[in-house]
Amino acid sequence: GAVVSQHPSRVICKSGTSVKIECRSLDFQATTMFWYRQFPKQSLMLMATSNEGSKATYEQGVEKDKFLINHASLTLSTLTVTSAHPEDSSFYICSAPRGGLNTEAFFGQGTRLTVV
Amino acid sequence: AQSVSQHNHHVILSEAASLELGCNYSYGGTVNLFWYVQYPGQHLQLLLKYFSGDPLVKGIKGFEAEFIKSKFSFNLRKPSVQWSDTAEYFCAVTFGSSNTGKLIFGQGTTLQVKP
Repeated sequence: GAVVSQHPSRVICKSGTSVKIECRSLDFQATTMFWYRQFPKQSLMLMATSNEGSKATYEQGVEKDKFLINHASLTLSTLTVTSAHPEDSSFYICSAPRGGLNTEAFFGQGTRLTVV
Repeated sequence: AQSVSQHNHHVILSEAASLELGCNYSYGGTVNLFWYVQYPGQHLQLLLKYFSGDPLVKGIKGFEAEFIKSKFSFNLRKPSVQWSDTAEYFCAVTFGSSNTGKLIFGQGTTLQVKP
């Protein structure tokens, strides 16, 4: 089946530094990928849509200058959390859709970010 | 605004009990409906999905869900739960006729099955 790989799975960083998270579709091409954020015991909140070859589309309330998204190729999207603060600590998950008309989203394993 | 709502936030059942988790969405147009499960420390996994056709869909691990368009609902059911079903369950929806894979999730339901 389709596989989406996300790296790293866990990262601890100091306040003020930046962290890059990668999302790769391993056996299919994805012109679009999605980034979600999940707080403990809560649901997944859509942050942005990553578009290959063009700017990402951010959901209302998401700071585009803080969460930089780059979709460099048909199989790779990156999310960079810039100038991280403790409140950015969360679980970040990417997904990549495949399937045309009956599109199904495949999820990465998620990245646990802890900012200290 | 388009939204997804799950009514049950925390459900505790004994093994062999029947399960029904509610999911409603707010949107009058075309939708695609999904249920995902997240076991502790694991990826989100797709349980089942509905795109069109028979509104009663069967998924993996004995789960099924019924799309009732008039009620904007897509409730998840399982006749007899097992301890291994303990997990977080998410209803998710894509809105609109062009299904891009952009999912909007419900709040999630924590299911705890007691042995």
